[in-house]
Amino acid sequence: GEDVEQSLFLSVREGDSSVINCTYTDSSSTYLYWYKQEPGAGLQLLTYIFSNMDMKQDQRLTVLLNKKDKHLSLRIADTQTGDSAIYFCAESTPGSGNTGKLIFGQGTTLQVKP
Amino acid sequence: GAVVSQHPSWVICKSGTSVKIECRSLDFQATTMFWYRQFPKQSLMLMATSNEGSKATYEQGVEKDKFLINHASLTLSTLTVTSAHPEDSSFYICSARASGRGSGYEQYFGPGTRLTVT
Repeated sequence: GEDVEQSLFLSVREGDSSVINCTYTDSSSTYLYWYKQEPGAGLQLLTYIFSNMDMKQDQRLTVLLNKKDKHLSLRIADTQTGDSAIYFCAESTPGSGNTGKLIFGQGTTLQVKP
Repeated sequence: GAVVSQHPSWVICKSGTSVKIECRSLDFQATTMFWYRQFPKQSLMLMATSNEGSKATYEQGVEKDKFLINHASLTLSTLTVTSAHPEDSSFYICSARASGRGSGYEQYFGPGTRLTVT
């Protein structure tokens, strides 16, 4: 079945880089996403990567995809206190039918210390 | 662009009453909307997928008679929690998929509705 796993917690100092990791089981994943959730709020789409890509960069965010190992990472450069939030990775697969159903990981809480 | 709103943002109701939550796509048409439930410090659990003009598809274990979903237009879906009980207290989040945007499976999320049943 489809499963997405993330580590639960990451603490970094302001200005450092943060790397949040995610593994998934379904090799037929088509798109993989990173969402950010601040306390008491909905999810904000940060970025996504198509499964035939290895890397995608968008300003401070770099997504790396290792399809062989089914491993996805999100690197945040120059992490700021405003980046403190929960980060979810998610996948969509053809098995989702054409509904675009997303399977979410448990979320990684990023704590940024000043 | 791609803004999704939810109303209300929080609601407190008495056990046994029903509560309706609205999800609107403000600047795009959403053929598909999704309803999620999130418990504290946990991930999102998909409850149902709602397509405009047709019946919602519920995930296994979700009672369709308790969680009524109506997707009456391309910009509005509603979730009604019927005969609410304290165990229904949770954070309910909707999302909308905009056809033709981004990946095609990209979902835009509402800010969530905090439901507390007393």
